[in-house]
Amino acid sequence: GQNIDQPTEMTATEGAIVQINCTYQTSGFNGLFWYQQHAGEAPTFLSYNVLDGLEEKGRFSSFLSRSKGYSYLLLKELQMKDSASYLCAVKRGNTGKLIFGQGTTLQVKP
Amino acid sequence: DGGITQSPKYLFRKEGQNVTLSCEQNLNHDAMYWYRQDPGQGLRLIYYSQIVNDFQKGDIAEGYSVSREKKESFPLTVTSAQKNPTAFYLCASSTGRISTDTQYFGPGTRLTVL
Repeated sequence: GQNIDQPTEMTATEGAIVQINCTYQTSGFNGLFWYQQHAGEAPTFLSYNVLDGLEEKGRFSSFLSRSKGYSYLLLKELQMKDSASYLCAVKRGNTGKLIFGQGTTLQVKP
Repeated sequence: DGGITQSPKYLFRKEGQNVTLSCEQNLNHDAMYWYRQDPGQGLRLIYYSQIVNDFQKGDIAEGYSVSREKKESFPLTVTSAQKNPTAFYLCASSTGRISTDTQYFGPGTRLTVL
């Protein structure tokens, strides 16, 4: 079957670094996406990993280990506007279908 | 401006009525998707379409129907057979190319059935 696990909630301090983990078990793995979603809004694309390793984009980095079924999203120099839900999604096969985790709600405090 | 539009943002309907949610994109994307999001849960796939005049059921298709007569449009009908229709509905599109295929989302429609 398919299963994606993320922590439900996390809290961090403005200016700090936070790591949001995602573990998955799925057949036909073909890449992993991270999205950011502010309350009541649409998810916005952050990153895509299909090969093992770290992808860096400004303050955000995403890591993938396919052998371990594990990914993380690293947010540096946290800002108040980073308070949002972060969704991990696994792509299955070549259909474009995504399976989403429940999301991690991050609260950034002053 | 290129993008995905969904209308309306908020929709109220009485129980037992069918309702159609609009999704339009001008990104020239081949693939389009409908998701449902409930509080505290991840997005769940309702239907998807990889090309005009073709669509496939997702994980929770019961009580929903779609059509894909034009590349730009992928309307979703929530029928009276859907037992718990109140939710946040998100439409997405992607190029449909295998290599990347990042999905981009519309602003969503929040449906409340009274």
